Amino acid sequence: NAGVTQTPKFQVLKTGQSMTLQCAQDMNHNSMYWYRQDPGMGLRLIYYSASEGTTDKGEVPNGYNVSRLNKREFSLRLESAAPSQTSVYFCASAEGHPSFGYTFGSGTRLTVV
Amino acid sequence: GENVEQHPSTLSVQEGDSAVIKCTYSDSASNYFPWYKQELGKRPQLIIDIRSNVGEKKDQRIAVTLNKTAKHFSLHITETQPEDSAVYFCAASYPGANNLFFGTGTRLTVIP
Repeated sequence: NAGVTQTPKFQVLKTGQSMTLQCAQDMNHNSMYWYRQDPGMGLRLIYYSASEGTTDKGEVPNGYNVSRLNKREFSLRLESAAPSQTSVYFCASAEGHPSFGYTFGSGTRLTVV
Repeated sequence: GENVEQHPSTLSVQEGDSAVIKCTYSDSASNYFPWYKQELGKRPQLIIDIRSNVGEKKDQRIAVTLNKTAKHFSLHITETQPEDSAVYFCAASYPGANNLFFGTGTRLTVIP
């Protein structure tokens, strides 16, 4: 039982390059989330998916797209990376309503140069 | 949406002393308040949570208190140990919300 698995753990991109961050959970959770963590700013929601087939914008969606491929997988895509997207990205999942508690992945440290 | 403020941003205590971290929230409908601990380079992990039908919850050395009237809740850690050093995040959520709303975090350092 792996919980929430994120890949890759580290990535360096050049400005303008694209990449996809992968997230998969094996807990049969309905809800999945992508957050970014920046110093002094806490965890800010990029996109979420309340159930398979649905996605919605969070607090900071600009520059990102997401896909809820199936119940297990929720990917985050940067189409044209910018230095402002340098951050640590966390995927999380929850059984349903957030009050069931989040399980976080181990994070992806992304640097855009 | 909900707005959660967290103070202080950094906190240093001597080993064995107590630590208190405070959060305020804006939406009176919020009814779920979890606390997450993030050790250096690790993922945030849920350590304790409280729902609005109770005023206090304890789990060994950690406790959370909730004041619904004032819209604030606090994390209390007693007899602090070096392994308590981490970043702590508070969060809130209300019925119908699709996500948790996080505070900006508190970096706690326990000095041996």
